[in-house]
Amino acid sequence: KNQVEQSPQSLIILEGKNCTLQCNYTVSPFSNLRWYKQDTGRGPVSLTIMTFSENTKSNGRYTATLDADTKQSSLHITASQLSDSASYICVVNPTGANNLFFGTGTRLTVIP
Amino acid sequence: ETGVTQTPRHLVMGMTNKKSLKCEQHLGHNAMYWYKQSAKKPLELMFVYNFKEQTENNSVPSRFSPECPNSSHLFLHLHTLQPEDSALYLCASSQDRGDGELFFGEGSRLTVL
Repeated sequence: KNQVEQSPQSLIILEGKNCTLQCNYTVSPFSNLRWYKQDTGRGPVSLTIMTFSENTKSNGRYTATLDADTKQSSLHITASQLSDSASYICVVNPTGANNLFFGTGTRLTVIP
Repeated sequence: ETGVTQTPRHLVMGMTNKKSLKCEQHLGHNAMYWYKQSAKKPLELMFVYNFKEQTENNSVPSRFSPECPNSSHLFLHLHTLQPEDSALYLCASSQDRGDGELFFGEGSRLTVL
């Protein structure tokens, strides 16, 4: 079982609507958790980073939250735009180890 | 120039061919990585180089052979690949090993016939 699970696997929303992507992890302890955005045919790009002690981090219309008690993170996208269509990948960096744990990603499609 | 550049972007090869993927980073980072990305699977770490030295080989078959001549360049030599090796191969760099933030190239889409 993957130590980072993301849901939903895919999502279609109308332009202008909000959405929330989920990331559940079992990695513990961890140093930080990142959300990456991967456009089709491109490499992933970091959107947000949160340390284990942070609860929320924003980057424009993207807001990531972290609940260390329930081992859940979410990425909330406000007022979605067509350019938000991409895969969003949750990545957990464990403490004291060099390997990162990747989720399988959520494929978001924003339609006009 | 973009931070991490990969060539070629697309590659189609037969199982008996020999080809190479190239990666170059212009960020002054010390660590470079090869990842494999297959549909509906998490990114798989293949190789890690830190200060030009290979620090990790994640049980990758010998038909994949990495080379890191300096801290800015990374190659992945391919020979006698299998169809299941078809995937997106991503190169990444980071300031230091274990730093966490990876800067990815745009990937090389490999198809093995």
